Amino acid sequence: NAGVTQTPKFRVLKTGQSMTLLCAQDMNHEYMYWYRQDPGMGLRLIHYSVGEGTTAKGEVPDGYNVSRLKKQNFLLGLESAAPSQTSVYFCASSHGTTWNEQFFGPGTRLTVL
Amino acid sequence: SQQGEEDPQALSIQEGENATMNCSYKTSINNLQWYRQNSGRGLVHLILIRSNEREKHSGRLRVTLDTSKKSSSLLITASRAADTASYFCATDGDNYGQNFVFGPGTRLSVLP
Repeated sequence: NAGVTQTPKFRVLKTGQSMTLLCAQDMNHEYMYWYRQDPGMGLRLIHYSVGEGTTAKGEVPDGYNVSRLKKQNFLLGLESAAPSQTSVYFCASSHGTTWNEQFFGPGTRLTVL
Repeated sequence: SQQGEEDPQALSIQEGENATMNCSYKTSINNLQWYRQNSGRGLVHLILIRSNEREKHSGRLRVTLDTSKKSSSLLITASRAADTASYFCATDGDNYGQNFVFGPGTRLSVLP
């Protein structure tokens, strides 16, 4: 039981490049989330999904897209990376609504030059 | 805007002492959760307290909730060096329970 895994762990991009971050969970959770964490800012929700085939915007969705084609996977895409997207990205999943705890992945450290 | 705000931003104590962190929030909630984050790692769930509960215990952790003051506190008793981490409170957003809002966190350092 691996829990929540994220790929890659580190990445350096140049401004304008694109990339996809992959999140996978093996707990059969319905809800999945993408957050970014910046120094002193806590976690801010980018996008989330309440089930396969559904996605919704969070607090800071601009510049990101997501897809949830399979229940166990949640992909975060950056179409044209900007230095402001330099951050640590965390994926999380939960069984259901906010009555349930969230399980977090180890994070992806992204630097955009 | 963030729902929860932790206080203090940073706390440094000696091993064996108690550590208290506070969280204030703005709107009504159904529940409040506390998470811990060790440096460079993902967050780990510690405890959930429902809006109709006033106090909850889990091992060396004690959480209180005062809905009239819109605040919660996390007490870690007999702290250990391994408790060194950042602690976050998370509250229901106003989105029908679909997502949390996390505060900026309290950085706790426990010195041996």
